Amino acid sequence: DTAVSQTPKYLVTQMGNDKSIKCEQNLGHDTMYWYKQDSKKFLKIMFSYNNKELIINETVPNRFSPKSPDKAHLNLHINSLELGDSAVYFCASRPAKSTEAFFGQGTRLTVV
Amino acid sequence: AQTVTQSQPEMSVQEAETVTLSCTYDTSESDYYLFWYKQPPSRQMILVIRQEAYKQQNATENRFSVNFQKAAKSFSLKISDSQLGDAAMYFCAYRSAGNQFYFGTGTSLTVIP
Repeated sequence: DTAVSQTPKYLVTQMGNDKSIKCEQNLGHDTMYWYKQDSKKFLKIMFSYNNKELIINETVPNRFSPKSPDKAHLNLHINSLELGDSAVYFCASRPAKSTEAFFGQGTRLTVV
Repeated sequence: AQTVTQSQPEMSVQEAETVTLSCTYDTSESDYYLFWYKQPPSRQMILVIRQEAYKQQNATENRFSVNFQKAAKSFSLKISDSQLGDAAMYFCAYRSAGNQFYFGTGTSLTVIP
């Protein structure tokens, strides 16, 4: 039973395509995040949602659009993919009264 | 903005020995949380240990312990009796009062048999 589940684990696609990465957490957490880990392993926050509401939207191109249909899901849609979008994308969640974030297994996106 | 610095891109340790990974951070907040996460080749981010800034006592989890120096804004991780399974990328993380997590650039730990 994976607490934070991302699909797909691997995604290879051509430049210019539109793709989505799904994230689901079955822990009843209130806050969900999307992080991008680049080739140098640097983890940077992209978005943060609390109870379906956008809290943080860091400097991310408009081509990236998060969608939270309900508290348990935070999907990431990417339009017009570029080579520089290649990275590992992590979804994470955190319950209201807990300190740490729980991470999904990551989605390795490769744009060719 | 908060920044987290890990000055050791790579570290190695002999099996059964002890290693310390360094982390410093910059913040103007007084209430925050600090973490060490481990990322093995499987890519999964695994929580190793957490520290609440208001607690003076250093956190300990089995073979893992921290040296938290709040005034110096330092948060190092000590791994005792290193095991082969400890080999991974280790990330220091800061959680702000606004519930955002900021990560360091990571330290790649190699355990030598």
